[in-house]
Amino acid sequence: NAGVTQTPKFQVLKTGQSMTLQCAQDMNHEYMSWYRQDPGMGLRLIHYSVGAGITDQGEVPNGYNVSRSTTEDFPLRLLSAAPSQTSVYFCASSYRSGHLAKNIQYFGAGTRLSVL
Amino acid sequence: DAKTTQPPSMDCAEGRAANLPCNHSTISGNEYVYWYRQIHSQGPQYIIHGLKNNETNEMASLIITEDRKSSTLILPHATLRDTAVYYCIVRVAVTGANNLFFGTGTRLTVIP
Repeated sequence: NAGVTQTPKFQVLKTGQSMTLQCAQDMNHEYMSWYRQDPGMGLRLIHYSVGAGITDQGEVPNGYNVSRSTTEDFPLRLLSAAPSQTSVYFCASSYRSGHLAKNIQYFGAGTRLSVL
Repeated sequence: DAKTTQPPSMDCAEGRAANLPCNHSTISGNEYVYWYRQIHSQGPQYIIHGLKNNETNEMASLIITEDRKSSTLILPHATLRDTAVYYCIVRVAVTGANNLFFGTGTRLTVIP
């Protein structure tokens, strides 16, 4: 049971490039989400999904796309990278049903992205 | 969600109990208290949660006052690996987006 796996761990992009951050979980969780964490700041929700085929925007969705074709995978796409997207990105998952379970989120190790 | 207040930093000697306080004086009856921690450069890690009774698991104990306005996370025998930022979060049942607000937390340093 690997939990939540994020790849890559580190990435450097040039402004305007696109890329996909991968996230996979093996706990059969319905709920998955992406956060970004900037230095000295808390985590901010980018996008989330309550199940395969269902996604929605979080607090800071601009410049990012997501899709959820399977329960296990929830990739985050940067369409045209900007320096403001330099951050650490965390993927998280949890059960959907039951409010207690839904507030217990399991996080990946993060992807550290630098946009030059 | 109720606002929480935590001290910005604390030190604890290795092997001693670490007691991390959290004030949530505006907590409502249906809000639970959750604790997470974030070890440097890693993703946040769930520790424990509770409503009004004291709770214990393999990682920690959670003591909630009778009026529920404050709580204390106890790490019974702190190790160097417990050095991290600890977050106290108060939450209700949620639908849709589940945006856990981590705030600034308490930076715990375990000293050898």
